[in-house]
Amino acid sequence: SQTIHQWPATLVQPVGSPLSLECTVEGTSNPNLYWYRQAAGRGLQLLFYSVGIGQISSEVPQNLSASRPQDRQFILSSKKLLLSDSGFYLCAWRSRLDRGPNEQFFGPGTRLTVL
Amino acid sequence: AQSVAQPEDQVNVAEGNPLTVKCTYSVSGNPYLFWYVQYPNRGLQFLLKYITGDNLVKGSYGFEAEFNKSQTSFHLKKPSALVSDSALYFCAVSAHASGGSYIPTFGRGTSLIVHP
Repeated sequence: SQTIHQWPATLVQPVGSPLSLECTVEGTSNPNLYWYRQAAGRGLQLLFYSVGIGQISSEVPQNLSASRPQDRQFILSSKKLLLSDSGFYLCAWRSRLDRGPNEQFFGPGTRLTVL
Repeated sequence: AQSVAQPEDQVNVAEGNPLTVKCTYSVSGNPYLFWYVQYPNRGLQFLLKYITGDNLVKGSYGFEAEFNKSQTSFHLKKPSALVSDSALYFCAVSAHASGGSYIPTFGRGTSLIVHP
């Protein structure tokens, strides 16, 4: 069966510090991968998505970046965090094996607080 | 462009009563529609989806949803609510996938509160 992991689960960082959040998927190959941010207002904001290794599409210009160094690994980074980067970060994957539209599977999330 | 509206920020229902969480959508072409549930401090969990076929879709935990093309709606329903159903519910829509990418649009979410 497929599983998705995110770490760390919780993170408190000072303004201006770097960030690295990691997401890995097990049990599938060549998935589509996504990073979302969920602010206190609870809507989901798509940050990045990837259809393959090294292929990253950015949905919102900001001080965050993403990388996909391996097929099932997706990393969210920042060189300098802002207060507005606080939120709940969710990684998700979707299978590309079936021809039809498939649901997304979400990780447990990382709660980031920037002070 | 595609969009999803969840007109209610919060729905309150008594345990044992039927519940409905509303969702309307706008998309070019045939829509693919999804419902997810999120418990506090957790990721979203898939409940059900409509791709084609029967307008009434059955999903996990006794939930079902009715696709209405003329009203562009995909309301989530359950005949008898449980206190444990209290959570945040998201509706999502996507047009036909192309090029391997798949970018659904999510609603803002509806908080369902089931009272004992």
